[in-house]
Amino acid sequence: AQSVSQHNHHVILSEAASLELGCNYSYGGTVNLFWYVQYPGQHLQLLLKYFSGDPLVKGIKGFEAEFIKSKFSFNLRKPSVQWSDTAEYFCAVNANNYGQNFVFGPGTRLSVLP
Amino acid sequence: DAGVIQSPRHEVTEMGQEVTLRCKPISGHNSLFWYRQTMMRGLELLIYFNNNVPIDDSGMPEDRFSAKMPNASFSTLKIQPSEPRDSAVYFCASSQQGGRPGNTIYFGEGSWLTVV
Repeated sequence: AQSVSQHNHHVILSEAASLELGCNYSYGGTVNLFWYVQYPGQHLQLLLKYFSGDPLVKGIKGFEAEFIKSKFSFNLRKPSVQWSDTAEYFCAVNANNYGQNFVFGPGTRLSVLP
Repeated sequence: DAGVIQSPRHEVTEMGQEVTLRCKPISGHNSLFWYRQTMMRGLELLIYFNNNVPIDDSGMPEDRFSAKMPNASFSTLKIQPSEPRDSAVYFCASSQQGGRPGNTIYFGEGSWLTVV
């Protein structure tokens, strides 16, 4: 079965610090990869996605993620975080040939201190 | 374009009452998902449909929960009878699937359920 793990449960950073959130998945076939963000009290919104091509994907609000197939990883990065980035971040995997299900990681809560 | 629409946005009900949550997926999407989110358990997939057919309901907690999708534009999640431990945010989501790569799942704004 597919599974997604996220390295950190809660990350605390100061504004302007660099961010990297880890995500690993377990599935050997072709996958689509996603990062979603959930701001406090809101629903999950798509941050960025990878389907094919350039493994470095750029998303909204200055976020980017790199797909490393050999490591089964899709880590999220941002060079300089802002207080408004305080949210929960979810990594998700959808395997093309594994039904139509999306598997979400447990989430990483990011707190950015002003 | 309208996104995934859920109702009610908030509901407070007494233990033992029936609760019905509703969802209208994005037009043209053929997969629909129901998720539950709590502080303790995080985001859990309850059930998902493809072309109105339930594909995987292994996440449905127990027989008190049922979900239907009578047509491509409407789904319900019913809890009968409700219990305090059902208090959570219930998200509906939809996507366009069909063997093509690049499908994205879109979430509604959630139904915030409190059972007292």
